[in-house]
Amino acid sequence: DQQVKQNSPSLSVQEGRISILNCDYTNSMFDYFLWYKKYPAEGPTFLISISSIKDKNEDGRFTVFLNKSAKHLSLHIVPSQPGDSAVYFCAASRWAGSYQLTFGKGTKLSVIP
Amino acid sequence: EAGVTQFPSHSVIEKGQTVTLRCDPISGHDNLYWYRRVMGKEIKFLLHFVKESKQDESGMPNNRFLAERTGGTYSTLKVQPAELEDSGVYFCASSQVGRREYEQFFGPGTRLTVL
Repeated sequence: DQQVKQNSPSLSVQEGRISILNCDYTNSMFDYFLWYKKYPAEGPTFLISISSIKDKNEDGRFTVFLNKSAKHLSLHIVPSQPGDSAVYFCAASRWAGSYQLTFGKGTKLSVIP
Repeated sequence: EAGVTQFPSHSVIEKGQTVTLRCDPISGHDNLYWYRRVMGKEIKFLLHFVKESKQDESGMPNNRFLAERTGGTYSTLKVQPAELEDSGVYFCASSQVGRREYEQFFGPGTRLTVL
């Protein structure tokens, strides 16, 4: 039973345009949501997080939007750059003695020069 | 500041052998997590240490896996005896206790292949 879903395995975007990566979750108890970027043969790199009490968080070119009623979050990258090409993972966490992360399967973003 | 480091980067062993993976967290991070990604699946939680104490072992698949964090610094994850289905990439992550504790920083992973 997947609690965090990334339904698009891949996404291609032109350099300079906006990339929108989507994530859905089923567990309404999640308190925090995170996005990670992963290059091949490397570990996930933390990008940005959002608390469930907020609906938007911005950090430079990266903005995460949270829609709690729809159990949906998205990561916007503006403008997209070729170096953004990677696999992006959505993760969710709640305090249950541990902030263990529940991951989606990832979306592979390709930014075309 | 050094990030999370893991050793070895790759390990190839035969079924029935023992393998020990090591993780060194970011200095000052009391939280240490182990995760695993098997081929084609999502990254899954294994266990969580706070300092030297196991806080949450709910993700450990079976008793062939033993994790330790003696002294509250580095951690080891031993698989004994290894089975074919243990193949995958093992990630370690760490975070500070307190503000934004949920933000975890990952190491490069150890790719384990069991033949």
